[in-house]
Amino acid sequence: DIQMTQSPSSLSASVGDRVTITCRASQGIRNDLGWYQQKPGRAPKRLIFAASNLQSGVPSRFIGSGSGTEFTLTISSLQPEDFATYYCLQHNTYPFTFGQGTKLEIK
Amino acid sequence: VHLVESGGALVQPGRSLNLSCTTSGFTFADYAMTWVRQAPGKGLEWIGFIRSLSYGGTTEYAASVKGRFTVSRDDSKSIAYLQMNSLKTEDTAVYYCTNSIGYWGQGTLVSVSS
Repeated sequence: DIQMTQSPSSLSASVGDRVTITCRASQGIRNDLGWYQQKPGRAPKRLIFAASNLQSGVPSRFIGSGSGTEFTLTISSLQPEDFATYYCLQHNTYPFTFGQGTKLEIK
Repeated sequence: VHLVESGGALVQPGRSLNLSCTTSGFTFADYAMTWVRQAPGKGLEWIGFIRSLSYGGTTEYAASVKGRFTVSRDDSKSIAYLQMNSLKTEDTAVYYCTNSIGYWGQGTLVSVSS
């Protein structure tokens, strides 16, 4: 199975900060990666598909990049509603696999 | 677009349960459907997938559920199913369905306990 390693596992930041979350795949997955946001008690929400494409309705401050084995999700200017847990998901090879999550907390 | 899971319950180990994912607002037959679960306090786990009938309607599973869980679909009703057999305590989780264009249901809770 492809292992997806997210870093950091948790992150404290302030409103207005620029933050970056990284996801590394144990083998190349082209650009077959999505980023998801989950708030407590809620279903996940897809933010980015195909590594760098913004899901409809998602603010442009969410930026995805990368290809192959290394991917990043950048939030250019944190807003209060962005404090949540973020997951990457590879959909290149079965079984598809999620990263372990990055919890973004208010500093 | 709406996806609504149902069928979650408290069941004993070894028993079976069938979850439904009722959808609307998109052409169900054109899209693959996926089931994802989340154990209490844990991360997301991809567990199963069914292709559209245009791609054979075939399925894929995570090792943790292969041989016990079955994903199916009824395109006439726009519903996806997750049949869960031989349930274990470690199957306790919120179960979500999602389509291949990024929409998710709200989840349904399955608790496996004696």
